[in-house]
Amino acid sequence: AQSVAQPEDQVNVAEGNPLTVKCTYSVSGNPYLFWYVQYPNRGLQFLLKYITGDNLVKGSYGFEAEFNKSQTSFHLKKPSALVSDSALYFCAAVRGGYSSASKIIFGSGTRLSIRP
Amino acid sequence: SQTIHQWPATLVQPVGSPLSLECTVEGTSNPNLYWYRQAAGRGLQLLFYSVGIGQISSEVPQNLSASRPQDRQFILSSKKLLLSDSGFYLCAWSVHRPNTEAFFGQGTRLTVV
Repeated sequence: AQSVAQPEDQVNVAEGNPLTVKCTYSVSGNPYLFWYVQYPNRGLQFLLKYITGDNLVKGSYGFEAEFNKSQTSFHLKKPSALVSDSALYFCAAVRGGYSSASKIIFGSGTRLSIRP
Repeated sequence: SQTIHQWPATLVQPVGSPLSLECTVEGTSNPNLYWYRQAAGRGLQLLFYSVGIGQISSEVPQNLSASRPQDRQFILSSKKLLLSDSGFYLCAWSVHRPNTEAFFGQGTRLTVV
């Protein structure tokens, strides 16, 4: 079965420190990978995606993610965390080459908490 | 530019009552449309997705149904709500290319009492 795993329910980081939110995937072919962020009682917002090419992709709000094909991972990173980064983060994958409904496979989410 | 509207934002309904949540997309045509449910601020459960008018795929058999009467309108319904239907419902759309991101509505908080 196709799946996306986020092994950490919660990540706690001090403001100014680097942060990493982990994601691994088990999706056939060469999937497209995404990160979304959700603030309380809001919909999800797109942060960044990996399609092809450079393994390090940059996105909104200073976030970046590193694609590692051999480890089937797509970890979200930020060099210096802000309190305003506190939110729920979702990793997602779409099977590559699937041209019909782009069925999105979401991870279970990781709550990121940045302490001042 | 494209926008997605989802309403109502919050809803409190008694057990056994019907449900209708509506989602519309503007600024694009023939989108993929999705309904997700999120329980207790955690993971997303895909309920239904649609690739076109009248084409609905159900992911999880349950007390809910979906319809797409127009190209950019997606409706989530129930004839009789259960307590377990409470949750945060999200509508989303994407274009018919798997390498593009989805765009989400602001969600509907449904509480069944």
